[in-house]
Amino acid sequence: DTEVTQTPKHLVMGMTNKKSLKCEQHMGHRAMYWYKQKAKKPPELMFVYSYEKLSINESVPSRFSPECPNSSLLNLHLHALQPEDSALYLCASSHPGYTGELFFGEGSRLTVL
Amino acid sequence: QQQVKQSPQSLIVQKGGISIINCAYENTAFDYFPWYQQFPGKGPALLIAIRPDVSEKKEGRFTISFNKSAKQFSLHIMDSQPGDSATYFCAATQPTGGFKTIFGAGTRLFVKA
Repeated sequence: DTEVTQTPKHLVMGMTNKKSLKCEQHMGHRAMYWYKQKAKKPPELMFVYSYEKLSINESVPSRFSPECPNSSLLNLHLHALQPEDSALYLCASSHPGYTGELFFGEGSRLTVL
Repeated sequence: QQQVKQSPQSLIVQKGGISIINCAYENTAFDYFPWYQQFPGKGPALLIAIRPDVSEKKEGRFTISFNKSAKQFSLHIMDSQPGDSATYFCAATQPTGGFKTIFGAGTRLFVKA
């Protein structure tokens, strides 16, 4: 079983909706990540938080808004998404100091109508 | 220079056979090379990883071979089983250089019973 928990597993939303994806880990990791994965493609980095501070934003559109309330939680707020944003959104975490290993959750499957 | 090239795109192997997936990189600053296994509907999971000062690493039926001079590495799955059917991503990262992992395009492995 994965130790990175993501909710919801599936989400369907309209282009005018506001929704959030949530991620939680209790491994003591201090870096947390959001990745986007399209079908038959590798994960694509969106954001990285290190010690609860935004460290990397890979030029993601502002309709995606990350939040890291504490060292165990990571949210991704969604607003005014486009159908092409439909994808699997993966949360990951890594050891303090970043050893190169990523621990992924099972993902949230997002469909934008 | 940041790319990791992975081949083949897909692979069909008979049960009990050897599955071989190859990757190549350009950036000599990479110093950690993980492989991730992803089943349908799940997030990627770290399978095995190697550092460039080691030419081979074996964990059960899974072996990474690393050729530093050629900047190539490969995953061998011995005695392949139907349960190994998944998508495999090679990756490269530089833990001292930040939080980015560069993924290969992925190989979809199907093991025939």
